[in-house]
Amino acid sequence: NAGVMQNPRHLVRRRGQEARLRCSPMKGHSHVYWYRQLPEEGLKFMVYLQKENIIDESGMPKERFSAEFPKEGPSILRIQQVVRGDSAAYFCASSSGTEEFVYGYTFGSGTRLTVV
Amino acid sequence: RKEVEQDPGPFNVPEGATVAFNCTYSNSASQSFFWYRQDCRKEPKLLMSVYSSGNEDGRFTAQLNRASQYISLLIRDSKLSDSATYLCVVGAGTALIFGKGTTLSVSS
Repeated sequence: NAGVMQNPRHLVRRRGQEARLRCSPMKGHSHVYWYRQLPEEGLKFMVYLQKENIIDESGMPKERFSAEFPKEGPSILRIQQVVRGDSAAYFCASSSGTEEFVYGYTFGSGTRLTVV
Repeated sequence: RKEVEQDPGPFNVPEGATVAFNCTYSNSASQSFFWYRQDCRKEPKLLMSVYSSGNEDGRFTAQLNRASQYISLLIRDSKLSDSATYLCVVGAGTALIFGKGTTLSVSS
């Protein structure tokens, strides 16, 4: 079981470019959660997705950020026209949808985005 | 009031010490509670779930007081390897909410 796979591990983008972060959940998991951790800050919930559906996007910034979890392939967090304030660690977690409130989430290693 | 608040830290203790972390949460409808551990520049990893009756895992003991909306973590006989940031996590609704964490540094 490969666990939650995120790539790339590190991503450098110039201001104004687009950033695409990918997350493949653990085998058997169909629920994906994205969190952002700014330097010296805690993890902030961004969005919760199931296959082909956004369940809760209450933590997503209103502009430039979007997420999807297609029927086939990984979940994608997309940040358009990046700014320096988007520099952060982005963590993805997955769950089976039935046990997360008993066993918590399993996190991927994260993608560290640096905007220069 | 923040959803999940933790002791600001950092806690600097010698090996063998006992250290306690506290956490309060604001949503009385919260139904699940955890402590996660995060090492520098790594992903958070589940340390233990927290149950109403309290639970223990080796040197670690977690307590939950629903009436006071308060969670605690006790670490006995601290090891150098316990140095990390400890995150209080509360589940309500569709996602887990993380506290900012308390940093523990254990020295020899």
